[in-house]
Amino acid sequence: AQKITQTQPGMFVQEKEAVTLDCTYDTSDQSYGLFWYKQPSSGEMIFLIYQGSYDEQNATEGRYSLNFQKARKSANLVISASQLGDSAMYFCAMRDLDMYSGGGADGLTFGKGTHLIIQP
Amino acid sequence: DTEVTQTPKHLVMGMTNKKSLKCEQHMGHRAMYWYKQKAKKPPELMFVYSYEKLSINESVPSRFSPECPNSSLLNLHLHALQPEDSALYLCASSQDFETTEAFFGQGTRLTVV
Repeated sequence: AQKITQTQPGMFVQEKEAVTLDCTYDTSDQSYGLFWYKQPSSGEMIFLIYQGSYDEQNATEGRYSLNFQKARKSANLVISASQLGDSAMYFCAMRDLDMYSGGGADGLTFGKGTHLIIQP
Repeated sequence: DTEVTQTPKHLVMGMTNKKSLKCEQHMGHRAMYWYKQKAKKPPELMFVYSYEKLSINESVPSRFSPECPNSSLLNLHLHALQPEDSALYLCASSQDFETTEAFFGQGTRLTVV
């Protein structure tokens, strides 16, 4: 079974500062994917960044980077130069990518989320 | 086009009503998903369709009935719901089980009265 732990229920950060959102995971799968999603109050889930378990380089997408430490089973999201529009819920999620585990698509397992508030 | 479109955006229904939620994508994705999200909680997987066949049912009560009429469309039929079923229902799609991101729709906010 997969488990995602996000230990920061809420964070307040000053605008323009960098933010690190913590995520640790537990899985027995060899091949898996780690995801970060942003959910504003409107409800839509916005994909931010992805890291595969076999990727040696940390993923980056614009102001977002994923600090992947496989041995520690952590996948922290770093947002550089935070903006007011970054205020939202942030979810870490993972997914089994082992095509031999049973076949077919697999859903995402989400952490409980971190409510990030950017202050001017 | 990287959109997943869900209709309606809001739905209020009585416990004896029958209603349907609709989800549509035109990205050629072959996997589609239904998630349920209660307030201040993470999304929870309900159903997965892979190549138009139901591949995962996470022990969802039979008052929720999914349907995948074609590769672009996913429905969730609702019947005899309970007030505790009130939640945000999110649809998502992805290329297949090896893909990276899943794209989500904006969700349907369901209230059962």
